[in-house]
Formats: sequence, C-alpha cells, structure tokens
Amino acid sequence: GDSVTQMEGPVTLSEEAFLTINCTYTATGYPSLFWYVQYPGEGLQLLLKATKADDKGSNKGFEATYRKETTSFHLEKGSVQVSDSAVYFCALSFLIQGAQKLVFGQGTRLTINP
Amino acid sequence: NAGVMQNPRHLVRRRGQEARLRCSPMKGHSHVYWYRQLPEEGLKFMVYLQKENIIDESGMPKERFSAEFPKEGPSILRIQQVVRGDSAAYFCASSPITGFVETQYFGPGTRLLVL
Repeated sequence: GDSVTQMEGPVTLSEEAFLTINCTYTATGYPSLFWYVQYPGEGLQLLLKATKADDKGSNKGFEATYRKETTSFHLEKGSVQVSDSAVYFCALSFLIQGAQKLVFGQGTRLTINP
Repeated sequence: NAGVMQNPRHLVRRRGQEARLRCSPMKGHSHVYWYRQLPEEGLKFMVYLQKENIIDESGMPKERFSAEFPKEGPSILRIQQVVRGDSAAYFCASSPITGFVETQYFGPGTRLLVL
C-alpha cells in the first residue's frame, strides 16, 4: 500500500542552522505531496505542496522538490529560527473517485535553540 | 472566512461513556475528512464524508465508531462505549469539490481522554 517514511526525530538545531528533513514515499501512481506543520496544541497547517514531478513547493523560507526518480520530497530551509520549532509531517494524496485520503509519515519533531 | 471549527477542544470521558466530536467545515467546503492521531504518531485516515453521504470509511474501526455529515449542521464523529485506547487527538479537515487534488484544511482537533 501507499506509505510515507520520514527522517526519525527528534531533531535539534541551533538558530540559523541549515535544515533538512528527509521524506520518501511508496505509491503505485503519481501522488501529490505535502508538508504540514503542527505547533504545540494546534492542528496541522499546510506548509507547502507539489502536485507533479520536478515541482518545487516553497513557503516561509522552506522548500521541497518532488523527485520522482528517488520518490522523495525532502524539506529544506537555509536558516532556521526558534519559531520553526514544531512537528513536521510529510504526506501524500491521490484523488480517487472524488476521495482524497492523506497518508502521513510519522512526523519529525524539530527543536531550534537560540 | 472562518477556518475549520471543532468542538469541544478537550473531552474527558470515563470508560463506557459516549463521546461526540463536532466539526464545521470551512464555508464553501463540501468534503469532510476525519483523522486520528495517537500520541507521538502521525495522523491516520478514518472516514471521508460529503453532505448526507459516507464516501469512504475504510479507516474506521468496525465497532463503536460512526460518523455523519447531515444536510444541516456539523459533521459528527461518535464513539460509543469508549475505552482507554480511544484516547487520542481527533482532527477534522475540509476541502472544496473541484475534481483536482485539493489542500485539506485542518481544524484544531479534539483531544479525547478516556479515564
């Protein structure tokens, strides 16, 4: 079945460090790919998305490129801030007969120290 | 435009009681999805509904769980005779109908604690 595997956390970095969170997927077709972020006690917020191969999603300094050849969608940011501390979820989705189920990775907890 | 609303935000139940979780989708959205998040895990799909129809309930436990999305009013996720293992955060998401893969917008969740 379809699945998403994320880099295990927790990840702890210093402010202004470079961030990479790895995400790979297994799917029978060509899904859309998403990164969601969850701040403590809150719901998920969409961070960025890509709907086809070689698309690059970007938002708030975060980027991820849909790589079909490596089935990956790694999240990167050049200089992290304390406010980026949160749990990050990679997810995939297909549209099948009008239904769109998101399949999530297990999440990666990121802590940024000042 | 208000976001997805869920209530209550926190719910405490004793074993054997019923839990009712409500979700009001964003204005103009006709699709509602329910997900469950166990502690320190990712979200797992439970059910997908449109108005008055359950489209896909492949992620719902076979017993004690039910969901509805009536013509008027919020979507309801109902858990009968709760057990400790039902303790989790339950998230609702909504999206519009466009025929394309759409972003799902999530509510703040209901955190259920079963004593």
